[in-house]
Amino acid sequence: NAGVTQTPKFRILKIGQSMTLQCTQDMNHNYMYWYRQDPGMGLKLIYYSVGAGITDKGEVPNGYNVSRSTTEDFPLRLELAAPSQTSVYFCASSYSETGIYEQYFGPGTRLTVT
Amino acid sequence: GEDVEQSLFLSVREGDSSVINCTYTDSSSTYLYWYKQEPGAGLQLLTYIFSNMDMKQDQRLTVLLNKKDKHLSLRIADTQTGDSAIYFCAENLALFYGNNRLAFGKGNQVVVIP
Repeated sequence: NAGVTQTPKFRILKIGQSMTLQCTQDMNHNYMYWYRQDPGMGLKLIYYSVGAGITDKGEVPNGYNVSRSTTEDFPLRLELAAPSQTSVYFCASSYSETGIYEQYFGPGTRLTVT
Repeated sequence: GEDVEQSLFLSVREGDSSVINCTYTDSSSTYLYWYKQEPGAGLQLLTYIFSNMDMKQDQRLTVLLNKKDKHLSLRIADTQTGDSAIYFCAENLALFYGNNRLAFGKGNQVVVIP
């Protein structure tokens, strides 16, 4: 199993540009998450999904959109990039049936908006 | 509230023990977790404790839970250079969101000096 994979690893965007951060998991997990990590600030939840076709907002959803058309994929869309969106973005997944609710993380995408 | 509080930086000599602390807010959390983030990587679950336990031992790791004070600690015995990382405490937000949403602390950076 590859686990949770994210692409790209790095990206530089100009203000106002758009992009999609890709996330795929091959563990058949029902829950998927997007977090952003700012230096010294821990992780903030952007959006999450409890299964294909269902998404919900987290703590910091403004400026982002998500979709979940399959169990495996959970892309994050930035429509009009702003410098405040410079961050490291992590995708994670978990499986509710284990009872432990462990989240498995991807390696991250480092995004700079200038 | 969803604040998980952690101090930010710890320096420890190789072979010594290190202790990281955090306080959490959701008294209904069923699990509390310690995640490890190595440089340039995503978070990886290190250990967890069920909320009805006071202590959990896992090789060099000891987790202590004080539910009355909502205080969680992680002790690493015989600290090694490979333990240099950022350590995040997390709680599952059972009261507000069910078990599959986690709140993370800001992280403790641990630097092991050879």
